[in-house]
Amino acid sequence: AQSVTQLGSHVSVSEGALVLLRCNYSSSVPPYLFWYVQYPNQGLQLLLKYTSAATLVKGINGFEAEFKKSETSFHLTKPSAHMSDAAEYFCAVIGGYNKLIFGAGTRLAVHP
Amino acid sequence: DTGVSQDPRHKITKRGQNVTFRCDPISEHNRLYWYRQTLGQGPEFLTYFQNEAQLEKSRLLSDRFSAERPKGSFSTLEIQRTEQGDSAMYLCASSLAPSGGVAETQYFGPGTRLLVL
Repeated sequence: AQSVTQLGSHVSVSEGALVLLRCNYSSSVPPYLFWYVQYPNQGLQLLLKYTSAATLVKGINGFEAEFKKSETSFHLTKPSAHMSDAAEYFCAVIGGYNKLIFGAGTRLAVHP
Repeated sequence: DTGVSQDPRHKITKRGQNVTFRCDPISEHNRLYWYRQTLGQGPEFLTYFQNEAQLEKSRLLSDRFSAERPKGSFSTLEIQRTEQGDSAMYLCASSLAPSGGVAETQYFGPGTRLLVL
């Protein structure tokens, strides 16, 4: 069965600092992996997705993620945090019937 | 370009009452999903439709829950005899079945926040 684990329920960075949000997956088949962002009282917005075309995936708002099979990881990074990046971030893997299986989420705080 | 819409955005009800939520997917999307999100957790899958056919239901979907998608367009999720444990955000997502086997993107609505008193 597929699953994802997000390490760190809360991450705090300074504005302009590197953002690193960690995600490890478990899958018996080559995985399709996603990162979504959720702002308060809103639905989820896709940041990026990995579909085996390239291991380094670029997304919206300057985010990118690298698929590392040897480490079963799909960590999300952004070189320079902005105040508007403060939100909750979810890593997900595709399960049966194309449903998304989400991690517990990481809340990102950005301080001046 | 209209996205996924959900109605109502908020619902407060008393324990034991029935509630119904509506989801309008992106118009050309043939797949529709319902998820439930409790505080501090990631969304959990509830059920999935391809066109009007309900193809999978999670074990989370007790017999008090029912979902429909008549004519493969909008969908409704009904909860009968609500319990306090049903308090959560109910999210709907839609997608277009991909060609070539590449995983499609699910587009989420803003959610319906349910509070059962």
